[in-house]
Amino acid sequence: DAGVIQSPRHEVTEMGQEVTLRCKPISGHNSLFWYRQTMMRGLELLIYFNNNVPIDDSGMPEDRFSAKMPNASFSTLKIQPSEPRDSAVYFCASTISGGNQETQYFGPGTRLLVL
Amino acid sequence: GNSVTQMEGPVTLSEEAFLTINCTYTATGYPSLFWYVQYPGEGLQLLLKATKADDKGSNKGFEATYRKETTSFHLEKGSVQVSDSAVYFCALKDYGGSQGNLIFGKGTKLSVKP
Repeated sequence: DAGVIQSPRHEVTEMGQEVTLRCKPISGHNSLFWYRQTMMRGLELLIYFNNNVPIDDSGMPEDRFSAKMPNASFSTLKIQPSEPRDSAVYFCASTISGGNQETQYFGPGTRLLVL
Repeated sequence: GNSVTQMEGPVTLSEEAFLTINCTYTATGYPSLFWYVQYPGEGLQLLLKATKADDKGSNKGFEATYRKETTSFHLEKGSVQVSDSAVYFCALKDYGGSQGNLIFGKGTKLSVKP
């Protein structure tokens, strides 16, 4: 199994530019999570999907952030316009929802730097 | 609401020392408890888990026991290695409450010196 795949692994952009982060969950998983990790705030859940439907987006910082999951094998997190304070590592994770054995599998992360 | 509190780091130990990282939780319902580990430059990965009171999760020499009476899930290892240097996250999932996404602690960085 290839695991959760994220792209790009590193992104450097200038303030005001649009940034799109991509995630391919593990095949067969029906829940997908986007997290942000910074030194100051630790690991924060931004949004998660069940069966491609956004369930909880209360962690999305503001309207500049949006996430989509058009099908079971692909999700995007978009920041438009980007700001320096968005610099962080963004993780995608997936799992099989239901029951009490739900282990989340994390991707390697996208390290974003906004100048 | 649900929350996880773990000891602040960083923790620095010599190789073969005993490790304890404290974790306590607050939850409605009946949570499952997890320890995740993040090695430098990587994503988080599950280290061990316990789904009910008095269960002991174990993996790679690490152990943690689900203590409902003290609402704790402390991580222990008898003899750490340099390769255990990483950030460790305690987490819970509450099946009796809301949707049940994972709630993570802030993480504890462990550095093991040779």
